Amino acid sequence: QSVLTQPRSVSGSPGQSVTISCTGTSGPLGDLESVSWYQQHSGRAPKVMIFDVNKRPSGVPDRFSGSKFGNTASLIISGLQAEDEAEYYCCSYAGTYTWLFGGGTKLTVL
Amino acid sequence: QVQLVESGGGAVQPGRSLRLSCAASGFTFSQYVMYWVRQAPGKGLEWVAVIRYDGARKQYADSVKGRFTISRDNSKNTLDLQMNSLRVEDTALYFCARKRDAFGSGSFNRFDPWGQGTLVIVSS
Repeated sequence: QSVLTQPRSVSGSPGQSVTISCTGTSGPLGDLESVSWYQQHSGRAPKVMIFDVNKRPSGVPDRFSGSKFGNTASLIISGLQAEDEAEYYCCSYAGTYTWLFGGGTKLTVL
Repeated sequence: QVQLVESGGGAVQPGRSLRLSCAASGFTFSQYVMYWVRQAPGKGLEWVAVIRYDGARKQYADSVKGRFTISRDNSKNTLDLQMNSLRVEDTALYFCARKRDAFGSGSFNRFDPWGQGTLVIVSS
């Protein structure tokens, strides 16, 4: 079964940069050609921060960026701010009209 | 403004059925692919189902295939999820979400916006 693997947690101090990885396994997920990233604050609905690997929706700060190398996609948050503390999920189109989310990464701003 | 409001959640015994609805407003509902995504308490997001803008194509996660049915009424701007043979592991907050861009345009992997969710508890 295909899986998207994320670290359980990452942390950083205000102003620092952090990277959250998302590694795909077999099949279409290995390509990660269409990966998006969602931010979810506790008790809130998810919000898209990055789509199609590295595209940023309007209104999302340019501190958020995305990249991909091989079967690993990354969300990079630079200039950490307190409000960035949240859960982050990667999501990949898995083919045949199906999608798969990663397990989520809790970002703590120290 | 664009808004999605889920309803229909509640507590139900294993094996029973429940029907969730998502009321859409602020956009031309019939032009957008719609999704259901769920989140078990304290757990991550899980994509559940998708339906094309005209209802002609549907797909389900393996975990719900054969038990859940996604449907839409474009005349009423509503998205539904009929959940049968519910299991304890179906307990979750169920979100409806929209594909960001209409029809087949734009990214296929951009869920935007999301509703606030409706809670389903399956317990004996």
